Amino acid sequence: QVQLQESGPGLVKPSETLSLTCNVSGASVSSGSYYWSWIRQPPGKGLEWIGYIYYSENTNYNPSLKSRVTISVDTSKNQFSLKLSSVTAADTAFYYCARTVAGAFGYWGQGTLVTVSS
Amino acid sequence: DIQMTQSPSTLSASVGDRVTITCRASHSISNSLAWYQQIPGKAPKLLIYKASNLPSGVPSRFSGSGSGTEFTLTISSLQPDDFATYYCQQYNGYSPTFGQGTNVEVK
Repeated sequence: QVQLQESGPGLVKPSETLSLTCNVSGASVSSGSYYWSWIRQPPGKGLEWIGYIYYSENTNYNPSLKSRVTISVDTSKNQFSLKLSSVTAADTAFYYCARTVAGAFGYWGQGTLVTVSS
Repeated sequence: DIQMTQSPSTLSASVGDRVTITCRASHSISNSLAWYQQIPGKAPKLLIYKASNLPSGVPSRFSGSGSGTEFTLTISSLQPDDFATYYCQQYNGYSPTFGQGTNVEVK
């Protein structure tokens, strides 16, 4: 059974860097069959794809966030991570990690709320 | 970016109703479309991929159709667990994008 679990600080100060990790079980993050994605959802609003990583080093980011986003993989821990720099209140959201197959997000973590506030 | 527009934004229905949600793409996306169900407080759940394919475990009352720029999600007989928000998502372009969501509420 594939399971994903997000972890990281729930509160980040404006202008700082948001850092989250997604721990994966039941599948390998180094598998070339899947892309590993981050998606976010501001409270009460819709879904926004942030980016994904595949083959452990290839990345693709949402153009609107590309200058601030880094996604990386740690194969030794079977996890992947998100860093979003220079955050503002507009980055307050539930952040989800997901496994992507043929473009569709088939497995999701439960999500974690990150609030940007001083 | 390819823009996805869902209609309606809100749909009021009763248990047993047949429900249809439409999703339109700003450019042709072939059949590169997925549908998700989100219950408040939970992560979205994949219902349909490649426009009309059901993942294992998704009830057969859910169906999807369409290609190109117009797609539909149909629930043949609405059940109590189906009151939720539904999102379409395209994955034909460089960046996956979602529709704004359709809230299916109790009539």
